[in-house]
Amino acid sequence: EAQVTQNPRYLITVTGKKLTVTCSQNMNHEYMSWYRQDPGLGLRQIYYSMNVEVTDKGDVPEGYKVSRKEKRNFPLILESPSPNQTSLYFCASSLQRVHTEAFFGQGTRLTVV
Amino acid sequence: GENVEQHPSTLSVQEGDSAVIKCTYSDSASNYFPWYKQELGKRPQLIIDIRSNVGEKKDQRIAVTLNKTAKHFSLHITETQPEDSAVYFCAASNDMRFGAGTRLTVKP
Repeated sequence: EAQVTQNPRYLITVTGKKLTVTCSQNMNHEYMSWYRQDPGLGLRQIYYSMNVEVTDKGDVPEGYKVSRKEKRNFPLILESPSPNQTSLYFCASSLQRVHTEAFFGQGTRLTVV
Repeated sequence: GENVEQHPSTLSVQEGDSAVIKCTYSDSASNYFPWYKQELGKRPQLIIDIRSNVGEKKDQRIAVTLNKTAKHFSLHITETQPEDSAVYFCAASNDMRFGAGTRLTVKP
């Protein structure tokens, strides 16, 4: 089954404790991206990757890192999480950056206390 | 990058009525306009899209219209049903940035 898989689905952590949210797709998509969703603010893009070893900042990259060492995986790293990073996070992939459907993961609800 | 504005932010309709959500975009080079539906607690999923070589596309009760001159496109849902209640997002092609979303509530 074609899908985007994020883990974990839920995470509660403390300020400053490094964490990684994993994202994997099995559709051989070139383009992957991360979004955070906050009430009233919609889906804001954090980082995106157009292919292996190619990543770029989205609209809200501060406090986040990503890597794209393999085509299928695009982890989101919070080196020192802060409470303002409490949010619902979605990973998405698409065949190309433009003109094609985006497939979303199930979402990760992160709470930083 | 592309700037997409979406209105209204919330919309409440009676079951059976029509609902219209509008998005405007800034980049005249954009030529792909998808709409995503996010049900409560679920991931966004594509429900319909349109490319710039057509002005309208329909799929059963949903339709999207595009006005390239005015740089806006709209989602139309006819004969709304309670299961249409969700958050709807528009996007414009060139960098997959989404509008802020519209929360549609269909009252039985």
